[in-house]
Amino acid sequence: KAGVTQTPRYLIKTRGQQVTLSCSPISGHRSVSWYQQTPGQGLQFLFEYFSETQRNKGNFPGRFSGRQFSNSRSEMNVSTLELGDSALYLCASSLEVAPGQGGEQFFGPGTRLTVL
Amino acid sequence: GENVEQHPSTLSVQEGDSAVIKCTYSDSASNYFPWYKQELGKRPQLIIDIRSNVGEKKDQRIAVTLNKTAKHFSLHITETQPEDSAVYFCAASMTGTASKLTFGTGTRLQVTL
Repeated sequence: KAGVTQTPRYLIKTRGQQVTLSCSPISGHRSVSWYQQTPGQGLQFLFEYFSETQRNKGNFPGRFSGRQFSNSRSEMNVSTLELGDSALYLCASSLEVAPGQGGEQFFGPGTRLTVL
Repeated sequence: GENVEQHPSTLSVQEGDSAVIKCTYSDSASNYFPWYKQELGKRPQLIIDIRSNVGEKKDQRIAVTLNKTAKHFSLHITETQPEDSAVYFCAASMTGTASKLTFGTGTRLQVTL
């Protein structure tokens, strides 16, 4: 079974631009979560989508948004990029065997975003 | 919101020794506690997890203990090997699943020969 994939793997943008990152979960997984990883702040939860609906949200500004498609693929968008948005963006998928009983969460390789 | 503190930030042990990493969480509603290992340049991988209705869980050389009263949980690695060298993250969630995890700041474990 193919693992979680993310595209692109590396991205360089300038301040003020916007960016869209893509995540394809493991086949059959309907839960997709996004995290931001930085040396200073560590791993921080952005949001989670389940069956095309945002189910949970972290404490990030509205510039960070996401969506999920009917095939469970997910995208996240960051508008008006700031220098501080430079980070590794990780998505993760999991199989929810029953409400509130999720399985192991599998991470993708991440997209490294550099904002100049 | 939930806050997870993790100690120590770095840990160096000799091969064959045991390593212990400790985490405390703030919200008593948290009910799912996974541990992830992240090797340099790689993605985090789940190594063990525990739910709030269990006090201890073991998987070969790795064990996790949970004290709900004190709101802390610990990772124990016995008979450490060089390939155990990595950054370890604890996390907590109130959803009962891996959704909406709050992570600790990580522990860099170095196993020396």
